[in-house]
Amino acid sequence: AQSVAQPEDQVNVAEGNPLTVKCTYSVSGNPYLFWYVQYPNRGLQFLLKYITGDNLVKGSYGFEAEFNKSQTSFHLKKPSALVSDSALYFCAVRGSGTYKYIFGTGTRLKVLA
Amino acid sequence: DSGVTQTPKHLITATGQRVTLRCSPRSGDLSVYWYQQSLDQGLQFLIQYYNGEERAKGNILERFSAQQFPDLHSELNLSSLELGDSALYFCASSVDPPGELFFGEGSRLTVL
Repeated sequence: AQSVAQPEDQVNVAEGNPLTVKCTYSVSGNPYLFWYVQYPNRGLQFLLKYITGDNLVKGSYGFEAEFNKSQTSFHLKKPSALVSDSALYFCAVRGSGTYKYIFGTGTRLKVLA
Repeated sequence: DSGVTQTPKHLITATGQRVTLRCSPRSGDLSVYWYQQSLDQGLQFLIQYYNGEERAKGNILERFSAQQFPDLHSELNLSSLELGDSALYFCASSVDPPGELFFGEGSRLTVL
């Protein structure tokens, strides 16, 4: 069965500092991995994905994520956080051979001015 | 704007009632997914349709049903509503073979 874990309910970081939001996954076969962001009362917006190829994936708004197969992780990172990055972040996985996208429970990022 | 349209945006109803949520996918997307987001359970996958056919099923209750029509819009029917069904219901669509999902703004259901 597929699963995604986001071990931190909330991450606080000072503006200008680097941020990391953690995600680990379990899936049969090759993983397809995604990050989404949700602002209050809005739908989820796609940030980036890993399908194949380079382990470091770059996405929207300066975010990037690193796929680590041995640690089954796909952590979201940004070199310099902005207050406007404050939102709810979801990691999702889809295993090859399945059509289900499974989402983590979300991590609330708070960037402090 | 993701291109996925959901109606209604808000819905308030009573226990025991039935409601229908509607979703229009992005132009060209054949796959539609339904998710339920509640405060204590995160984002739960309900069901997926591809070009009118059910393709994957998640934690969808028997009181809930869905379908995708020939014009590719989809409807999620929720019946015998309970207080615990109060949630945000999202529709998403994707290109097939599926890459990222594109989400609508959601339908907020309140059951009183």
